[in-house]
Amino acid sequence: GAGVSQSPSNKVTEKGKDVELRCDPISGHTALYWYRQSLGQGLEFLIYFQGNSAPDKSGLPSDRFSAERTGGSVSTLTIQRTQQEDSAVYLCASRPIAGGTTGELFFGEGSRLTVL
Amino acid sequence: GESVGLHLPTLSVQEGDNSIINCAYSNSASDYFIWYKQESGKGPQFIIDIRSNMDKRQGQRVTVLLNKTVKHLSLQIAATQPGDSAVYFCAEAASGYSTLTFGKGTMLLVSP
Repeated sequence: GAGVSQSPSNKVTEKGKDVELRCDPISGHTALYWYRQSLGQGLEFLIYFQGNSAPDKSGLPSDRFSAERTGGSVSTLTIQRTQQEDSAVYLCASRPIAGGTTGELFFGEGSRLTVL
Repeated sequence: GESVGLHLPTLSVQEGDNSIINCAYSNSASDYFIWYKQESGKGPQFIIDIRSNMDKRQGQRVTVLLNKTVKHLSLQIAATQPGDSAVYFCAEAASGYSTLTFGKGTMLLVSP
């Protein structure tokens, strides 16, 4: 498909375990974002990658959260020693810097994380 | 801190009515304002955006109005349809779109 792909779609884990969430952006999109959405809440910015520039990590809530983007494409969000408050839907989005509609992020369907 | 918020958490309308969803923002440095629609179980989908040097922009059945004097943004949906039922988010961004700051969302419920 041509959209943003995220996996797994659902993840249930035990408190204290590490989890990895994957995002495959739209081919050719140079910008990649991770957001977190708690139940009934808005989207909370986590991290932003743009090309080869240093990522904007200002939204990461703690040092248990980290993200990588390899080869300017696939990104992995890692949460170490998960806590119950980490339970949320983690959304990935990509955007073409050149061209496209200003302001339009293309979101995946998210990875729902439940920490027991 | 700076924030984007919404006045109404839930809006219920009848099919065929016009809907207006409101949003207040507080960051006067924001240059772009965007509306997204999120259906249940899906990621947000872009609807329309407007730049700070404009006060109105129209799309297909939607109009976004920006009032910088009172820092208010609204989304008008004409002839609302059941398929418009979703949560609507406003978002703001500084020039360059490095990050978008989202509000908490308004749920629109359209009754047939």
